[in-house]
Amino acid sequence: DQQVKQNSPSLSVQEGRISILNCDYTNSMFDYFLWYKKYPAEGPTFLISISSIKDKNEDGRFTVFLNKSAKHLSLHIVPSQPGDSAVYFCAASYSGTYKYIFGTGTRLKVLA
Amino acid sequence: NAGVMQNPRHLVRRRGQEARLRCSPMKGHSHVYWYRQLPEEGLKFMVYLQKENIIDESGMPKERFSAEFPKEGPSILRIQQVVRGDSAAYFCASSSGTVHSPLHFGNGTRLTVT
Repeated sequence: DQQVKQNSPSLSVQEGRISILNCDYTNSMFDYFLWYKKYPAEGPTFLISISSIKDKNEDGRFTVFLNKSAKHLSLHIVPSQPGDSAVYFCAASYSGTYKYIFGTGTRLKVLA
Repeated sequence: NAGVMQNPRHLVRRRGQEARLRCSPMKGHSHVYWYRQLPEEGLKFMVYLQKENIIDESGMPKERFSAEFPKEGPSILRIQQVVRGDSAAYFCASSSGTVHSPLHFGNGTRLTVT
C-alpha cells in the first residue's frame, strides 16, 4: 500500500531550465509534506516543506505547490544547476502521528 | 558535529550473525526514527522511539529485529541472525518532536550480509 507515490523514477533537465518533480498521495489525512534531496552515500537532506493550510511555499530556487483536491504536490527548481543532480524524495505525515511516509524517489539529472 | 551520527558507516556480516547499528540524534532531539532503503527502492519506515520508549514499531519485521533508545547513550537497531535479504542502507533520523518538524537524517549504515 504505497500512500505516497512518485511515478517518475528519473528526470533529465538542461542547466538553467526548470525542474518539476511530482508526487501524489492517497491519504486525505496527510497535512504536512516535505521534500528531501539525497546524494549517493549520504543521508537525505531536508529541502522544503508545506502545511496543508497553504498551497505554495517558496525558498530561494525551490518552490513547493500543493493541490489538495488532486492530492498532488510538486517541487519546482528554477533555475536548475548541475549540483541539483540527486534523488528527490517527497514525504507526508498527518497530525496525531509522528510517522513520515516517503515516496520511492525521482532521480534528477541536470545536464551542463 | 551537531548532526545525526550513525556508526558504523559500513557493516559486513555473515548469515546468522548479529548486526548492531548505532545512532546518536542531533543535539536537543529526543525523537529517533529508523528507516531502511533497499536497493532501487524508497525509504521504508521501521520504528519511531522516544527516550526509553518505543512509540511506533509498525514497520519493523516481527522477528529478529529490535530497537531501543536508552536513557543514556545512542539508539540501537539490532538485527539477529541476519539473512541476505537484510542487506540494505539503514538510516536514522531525529526530530525535536514538535508538530510538523522535519526529520534530520544521518548518513546511514550500509549493511552487507554475505
